[in-house]
Amino acid sequence: DTGVSQDPRHKITKRGQNVTFRCDPISEHNRLYWYRQTLGQGPEFLTYFQNEAQLEKSRLLSDRFSAERPKGSFSTLEIQRTEQGDSAMYLCASSLALLAWDTQYFGPGTRLTVL
Amino acid sequence: DQQVKQNSPSLSVQEGRISILNCDYTNSMFDYFLWYKKYPAEGPTFLISISSIKDKNEDGRFTVFLNKSAKHLSLHIVPSQPGDSAVYFCAASSDNNDMRFGAGTRLTVKP
Repeated sequence: DTGVSQDPRHKITKRGQNVTFRCDPISEHNRLYWYRQTLGQGPEFLTYFQNEAQLEKSRLLSDRFSAERPKGSFSTLEIQRTEQGDSAMYLCASSLALLAWDTQYFGPGTRLTVL
Repeated sequence: DQQVKQNSPSLSVQEGRISILNCDYTNSMFDYFLWYKKYPAEGPTFLISISSIKDKNEDGRFTVFLNKSAKHLSLHIVPSQPGDSAVYFCAASSDNNDMRFGAGTRLTVKP
């Protein structure tokens, strides 16, 4: 299977702990996106990378959140000092941005529960 | 700011009939529109897209219509099948990034 993969699929943590999620995009895709989805809502954009460069960050991405894509392949999203409001599904997507309009393909997500 | 709106949280149709899911947007800079389908415990799956230079795109049972003047798009599924039961998200983007999603419509297709 060469789709987008995310690890772990589920994470339960206590408030105040740090968590890190990993995303492996489709291999030839140069863009990688992170989204957050809460119950009853659509995915909300957090940030995206073109190769290793982080090009845009949403105001939703507080200073407790940091994302990296060091070699332009996989990416990590770290949340420091987690809060109960961080509980959500974190989705990763990738795309091949060669055309004027590119389509993002999503991974299965990591569901975070902060107790 | 809800730039993409799906005003119907749910829709129920009979197998074999047409399903019509609607989506409205407010940002006139959006130039690419997509529909995703989501099953429980899975990420959204790309279904069909349309660029702003077209008003219709068809792929098998799925057709997306775009009305730029009304800032409205719709997804038609004909004929609907029980396996189509899922949450459908409308999404829009501009300048090839920062995609905005609607809140989703849960479609139930009854046998």
